Amino acid sequence: NAGVTQTPKFRILKIGQSMTLQCTQDMNHNYMYWYRQDPGMGLKLIYYSVGAGITDKGEVPNGYNVSRSTTEDFPLRLELAAPSQTSVYFCASINGGVGEKLFFGSGTQLSVL
Amino acid sequence: EDQVTQSPEALRLQEGESSSLNCSYTVSGLRGLFWYRQDPGKGPEFLFTLYSAGEEKEKERLKATLTKKESFLHITAPKPEDSATYLCAVQAHRTNAGKSTFGDGTTLTVKP
Repeated sequence: NAGVTQTPKFRILKIGQSMTLQCTQDMNHNYMYWYRQDPGMGLKLIYYSVGAGITDKGEVPNGYNVSRSTTEDFPLRLELAAPSQTSVYFCASINGGVGEKLFFGSGTQLSVL
Repeated sequence: EDQVTQSPEALRLQEGESSSLNCSYTVSGLRGLFWYRQDPGKGPEFLFTLYSAGEEKEKERLKATLTKKESFLHITAPKPEDSATYLCAVQAHRTNAGKSTFGDGTTLTVKP
């Protein structure tokens, strides 16, 4: 199993550009999450999904959008990129049981210049 | 609002020098407290889940303990390969599974 796969690994954007961060998992997990991690900080939840067609905002959703058309895929869309969105983005998933651990992807390092 | 505070921010140890990392938390109804290890340029990897005060779990040189207000990650006779950032996270009963609140982490450096 590949687990959680994120693409791209690195990206540089200019202010005002848009892009989509891809995330796919092959574990048939119902719950998926997008976190961002700023240098020296912990992870902040951006958006999450409890199943196909269901998404909800996390702690820091402004400037982002998500969709969940399949169980496997959970892309994160950045519209009108700003320097404040420079960060490392992690996608994660779990099956949804009580107290389950998160499975993380390897991250996307994004710089907005 | 759930809060997680980790200390110290950074810890430098000599190989074989045992120590502890602290995770203080406030949460309305703890569902689980998690420890993750994160290596540079990688996503966090799961270490332990603790569910109730008094619980302890061990894995190789690591031992995690839990009280009603804090958790400790004890590192016994660390080796250079234990160097990493250790993240603590909590899940509350009222949240959907996986909506974890993370601390800022402790970066551990073990010198040979």
